[in-house]
Amino acid sequence: IQLTQSPSFLSASVGDRVTITCRASQDISTYLAWYQRKPGKAPNLLIFGAMSVENGVPSRFSGTGSGTEFTLTISSLQPEDFATYYCQQLNSYPITFGQGTRLEI
Amino acid sequence: QVQLRQWGARLLKPSETLSLTCTVSGGSFSDFWWSWIRLPPGKGLEWIGEINRSGSTNYNPSLKSRVTVSVDTSKNQFSLKLSSLTAADTAIYYCARKETGSLFDCWGQGTLVTVSS
Repeated sequence: IQLTQSPSFLSASVGDRVTITCRASQDISTYLAWYQRKPGKAPNLLIFGAMSVENGVPSRFSGTGSGTEFTLTISSLQPEDFATYYCQQLNSYPITFGQGTRLEI
Repeated sequence: QVQLRQWGARLLKPSETLSLTCTVSGGSFSDFWWSWIRLPPGKGLEWIGEINRSGSTNYNPSLKSRVTVSVDTSKNQFSLKLSSLTAADTAIYYCARKETGSLFDCWGQGTLVTVSS
């Protein structure tokens, strides 16, 4: 299953609301997760089941979608949110990820 | 708190074999699947393969012919071997724990492996 993220690059400011889209090549129900990766660090799980926020993740992060189209929204960007974001499908093997969306100031 | 610590050679030549090991501490080893994932420069994350405590494996078909993942339950370790390396295998390699819902909830620190002559 191929995952296509858009945009690949996003420039924004602190306080902005941003949305990242992930499109699947076939129906994956809500078997989708989102991760955040900062330079020099391992990815960190943000969202699972398309819309459930992982424990400890700030409430400004939210996810929506089902089937083939999904979104990750950050309601009010904070300085620590500038990172690269990846979606991942959990529907079937092989596990696949999107190509990433780099969010920069 | 679960910690994954990984190590292995970082500079390899084309045609050589990559070998990485990941040690799990601070949590159960038996209840999860253990994966290897890589991040090539300028590209997205790529799942390589996984193993459980019994030694059952799943591999990404794109790499299956060159990949071996093994486990040593006595040491709470699992390992990756990737053969016939080319420059396209240059990447940060991560070990990760996959919980029952196929989410990767704990990761190693990552190892940058460079393949160059």
